[in-house]
Amino acid sequence: DIQMTQSPSSLSASVGDRVTITCRASQFINTFLNWYQQKPGKAPKLLIHTASSLQSGVPSRFSGSGSGTDFTLTISSLQPEDFASYYCQQSHSTPYTFGQGTNLEIK
Amino acid sequence: QVQLQESGPGLVRPSETLSLTCNVSGSPLNSGYFWGWIRQAPGKGLEWIGNVYHSGRAYYCPSLKSRVLISVDTSKNHFSLQLTSVTAADTAMYYCARRDSSAFGSYFDYWGQGILVTVSS
Repeated sequence: DIQMTQSPSSLSASVGDRVTITCRASQFINTFLNWYQQKPGKAPKLLIHTASSLQSGVPSRFSGSGSGTDFTLTISSLQPEDFASYYCQQSHSTPYTFGQGTNLEIK
Repeated sequence: QVQLQESGPGLVRPSETLSLTCNVSGSPLNSGYFWGWIRQAPGKGLEWIGNVYHSGRAYYCPSLKSRVLISVDTSKNHFSLQLTSVTAADTAMYYCARRDSSAFGSYFDYWGQGILVTVSS
């Protein structure tokens, strides 16, 4: 199985901050990498697919980059509604695997 | 507007079979997508269980493969999950989702709201 490792596991930031979350795959996955946002009690929501493609309806302050084994999710200017958990997921091969999550909290 | 809705019992006895259904609206099951189940134990991360195509072809997580069956009913536009011989470790929120794909990857673009299943006697 491909292991996905996110860092940091938790992050405190303020509204307006620029935030970057990283995700590393245990082996080459090209750009088969997705990012999801999950708020408490809600289902995950797709933000970015295939490493850098913004899902329809997602604000442009979210962006993704990377290929191979190292990826980043960047939020250019944090908004109050962005405080949530974020997960990366590889779709290079089954079993699909997720990172352990990054909990983004208000400072 | 694509919508998915999970249904089934919220409590299952240990050693019994967990059975859930995902009703889909706004997207025919036979429209070229895969359909999947993902679960999340309380306070934990996301775990992919498996995907199924409208033909019935399915792919499962190896760690669950011996206990899992995912099936489709295109006439009712729903797909189902069965997980046998459950234990407390199977207590989780279970989500159904649609898997879209391109030449560059696949991703879960629509999700149900989830259903909490507790395994307890």
